[in-house]
Amino acid sequence: QKEVEQDPGPLSVPEGAIVSLNCTYSNSAFQYFMWYRQYSRKGPELLMYTYSSGNKEDGRFTAQVDKSSKYISLFIRDSQPSDSATYLCAMTRDQGGSEKLVFGKGTKLTVNP
Amino acid sequence: ETGVTQSPTHLIKTRGQQVTLRCSSQSGHNTVSWYQQALGQGPQFIFQYYREEENGRGNFPPRFSGLQFPNYSSELNVNALELDDSALYLCASGGGVGTYEQYFGPGTRLTVT
Repeated sequence: QKEVEQDPGPLSVPEGAIVSLNCTYSNSAFQYFMWYRQYSRKGPELLMYTYSSGNKEDGRFTAQVDKSSKYISLFIRDSQPSDSATYLCAMTRDQGGSEKLVFGKGTKLTVNP
Repeated sequence: ETGVTQSPTHLIKTRGQQVTLRCSSQSGHNTVSWYQQALGQGPQFIFQYYREEENGRGNFPPRFSGLQFPNYSSELNVNALELDDSALYLCASGGGVGTYEQYFGPGTRLTVT
């Protein structure tokens, strides 16, 4: 079983839709949870960063972490064509100071005008 | 823009050759991590450097090695290239041990023929 599972999609939605992206994980030691956005042929860009369980909101984006279920989500409201990208979840555990990120495979999202 | 740059953008090498990839981190960031991202996959952690010392390594063989320099630049060296080494190589810089936000460069796309 992979440490982090993410449905690769692809996911196609109309402009203005609410998008829900999800990841599950198996290691209860993960404490920090991130969402990255990666445009084609570019490096990942940090979108949201959450510590432990709870919600965090930033504009049209909301990140949720449920540690009891080992499940994290990213919601995008009023989706725009510019949101079309691959979304990667990532998480870390405290490993003696080595903060390696463990990534999901990424979900490719297309928002159609 | 993250302030993290990488060179070259693209590279084509032959199996068995050696390659050096370069990264320039954000000023003030003490950690640099390198990731390998195969097509359709999430990034995989190769290793991290903190203040010029290796500070954690993923499941990669010793022919993957690195260096970090005092001027916030770093290198990833890969010896005896194999076809499976074809991937996007990403470097990410962070504020230091204990900080979990990492900022990625645009990557170097390596093709091994």
